[in-house]
Amino acid sequence: KQEVTQIPAALSVPEGENLVLNCSFTDSAIYNLQWFRQDPGKGLTSLLLIQSSQREQTSGRLNASLDKSSGRSTLYIAASQPGDSATYLCAFVSGGYQKVTFGTGTKLQVIP
Amino acid sequence: DVKVTQSSRYLVKRTGEKVFLECVQDMDHENMFWYRQDPGLGLRLIYFSYDVKMKEKGDIPEGYSVSREKKERFSLILESASTNQTSMYLCASRDAMNTEAFFGQGTRLTVV
Repeated sequence: KQEVTQIPAALSVPEGENLVLNCSFTDSAIYNLQWFRQDPGKGLTSLLLIQSSQREQTSGRLNASLDKSSGRSTLYIAASQPGDSATYLCAFVSGGYQKVTFGTGTKLQVIP
Repeated sequence: DVKVTQSSRYLVKRTGEKVFLECVQDMDHENMFWYRQDPGLGLRLIYFSYDVKMKEKGDIPEGYSVSREKKERFSLILESASTNQTSMYLCASRDAMNTEAFFGQGTRLTVV
């Protein structure tokens, strides 16, 4: 059974810092990995998708990497802004394609 | 630019009522999903559908049923609402190649 751990559970940083969010998984037979952000009381917004054959994806100030051998994915946020404050979730599709396993999230606060 | 739409943002229902949560997607996706999200438990899959009239149980299907009569619409039904079904409900869709998933804005259901 795929288990997904996100560390840290919460993070508070001053504006302008570069930061890394971590996601660890136990089953390396993944199909793809997706990073989401969730604002309080809202749905999930897709940030980046990495297929299992890829190592990383970039979108603006965001960079996500995937290392299946170590069972890790990281989300790098450059020059953080207060608008980046949200909960960040990673999700893996594995097994029979339909199975999606979510991490419990990292709650990020960027202080002006 | 709305892709996945849930019929209500907030709902308050009484114990024992039959509750319908509706989800519509405009991306012609084959796969649709219903999750619930609770503090400390993360997102848990209730049901998913991979085609019209097709459905599969997720991790926590008890107390729920679903209906998919048209490709774009996936309904979650609480046959007899109970207080332990108070939660945030999230609908998602994804294409048959299981690439990027898109989520609706969520429905906060309170059962009193």
